[in-house]
Amino acid sequence: GQNIDQPTEMTATEGAIVQINCTYQTSGFNGLFWYQQHAGEAPTFLSYNVLDGLEEKGRFSSFLSRSKGYSYLLLKELQMKDSASYLCAVRRQAGTALIFGKGTTLSVSS
Amino acid sequence: DTEVTQTPKHLVMGMTNKKSLKCEQHMGHRAMYWYKQKAKKPPELMFVYSYEKLSINESVPSRFSPECPNSSLLNLHLHALQPEDSALYLCASSQAPPGGSQETQYFGPGTRLLVL
Repeated sequence: GQNIDQPTEMTATEGAIVQINCTYQTSGFNGLFWYQQHAGEAPTFLSYNVLDGLEEKGRFSSFLSRSKGYSYLLLKELQMKDSASYLCAVRRQAGTALIFGKGTTLSVSS
Repeated sequence: DTEVTQTPKHLVMGMTNKKSLKCEQHMGHRAMYWYKQKAKKPPELMFVYSYEKLSINESVPSRFSPECPNSSLLNLHLHALQPEDSALYLCASSQAPPGGSQETQYFGPGTRLLVL
């Protein structure tokens, strides 16, 4: 079966750095996506990795290790508005759509 | 511009009603998706349209009927729904169909559906 694991909840304080991990076991791999979703809103695309290594986009970075079936999303200089659910999603192969993990709810406090 | 719009934002319907959800994008994307999301759960794929043809149906009950009138529009027709169908229905689009190199999906704001 397909399995994508993320921690259910994380907490952090403003200005801190937090790393949200995602491990996956899927029949095939053709890319990993991170989305941010605020309560009651639609998911917003954050990052995409298909090759090993780090992708940096401002305060957000995403890392992928295909051999380990592992990714993380790194959020720097946390702000209150970063409180949201962070969804890891995997595309397995051509002709299939995304499979989402259950999401990590991040709470940022002052 | 990466905007996907959906109407209505909220919908309340009875189990005997017929209603439709609408989704629109003007980004020239050729793949469009319907997802269902229950509270505190990840989005679950329902349908995928590639080049206006249904390419994936994730064993969705026939009371949900998708339609893609043209490359910019995607509808979801609802009939004889059950209370357990209450959820947030998300539309998404991507530049290329699943499997292509440019398939980042962009989501609309969703329609929050309540079935009484």
